[in-house]
Amino acid sequence: SYVLTQAPSVSVAPGQTARITCGGDNIGSKSVHWYHQKPGQAPVLVLYDDSDRPSGIPERFSGSNSGSTAALTISRVEAGDEADYYCQVWDSTTEHAIFGGGTKLTVL
Amino acid sequence: QVQLVQSGAEVKKPGASVKVSCGASGYTFTAYYIHWVRQAPGQGLEWLAWISPDSGGTNYAQKFHGRITVTRDTSISTAYMELSRLRSDDTAVYYCVRARRNWGQVYFDYWGQGTLVAVSS
Repeated sequence: SYVLTQAPSVSVAPGQTARITCGGDNIGSKSVHWYHQKPGQAPVLVLYDDSDRPSGIPERFSGSNSGSTAALTISRVEAGDEADYYCQVWDSTTEHAIFGGGTKLTVL
Repeated sequence: QVQLVQSGAEVKKPGASVKVSCGASGYTFTAYYIHWVRQAPGQGLEWLAWISPDSGGTNYAQKFHGRITVTRDTSISTAYMELSRLRSDDTAVYYCVRARRNWGQVYFDYWGQGTLVAVSS
């Protein structure tokens, strides 16, 4: 089955840029979606279809997807961005969703 | 506004079954699939199943085949997830989520608040 690989943690200082990656075999051929989850809360969609932002998500959140790596980039990181971030793809063969293991973003 | 409101926390013994409900409001219930996702304590997200509220069609993760059943009642815009033969490693927060489909790709735009299911003897 298809596997998505995320680094367990990323740390960044406030005001800097955070890049959270999601690796998968030829992931560039799929659409990747991203969620963040703060402690005790349900996940929230932050990007869909690689780089589209739902309403209410700041322009500081952007995405890319090519080859074997998709990435979520957060510019001008704020303390409130500290959360777990998950990537997700859809397996159209099995009609199942697949999640990455998650990356904990720490704002120093 | 779109809302998915789930039933309350459950404590079950190993071998028992649990049924979690998910009431939808703020949109046409039959127009969007409902999926179920769980999260064990301190762990990541795990996809379980989906149901088409319109047709009642379902699809389950292979890992849970034979133990999980998802249903819906369109008269009250509510979906249900039942998991049987519970084990301690089924202890998790269970989420219902609304799915959007774009050109065959599926993502989740609204999440329920989650239901904690604790399995303990």
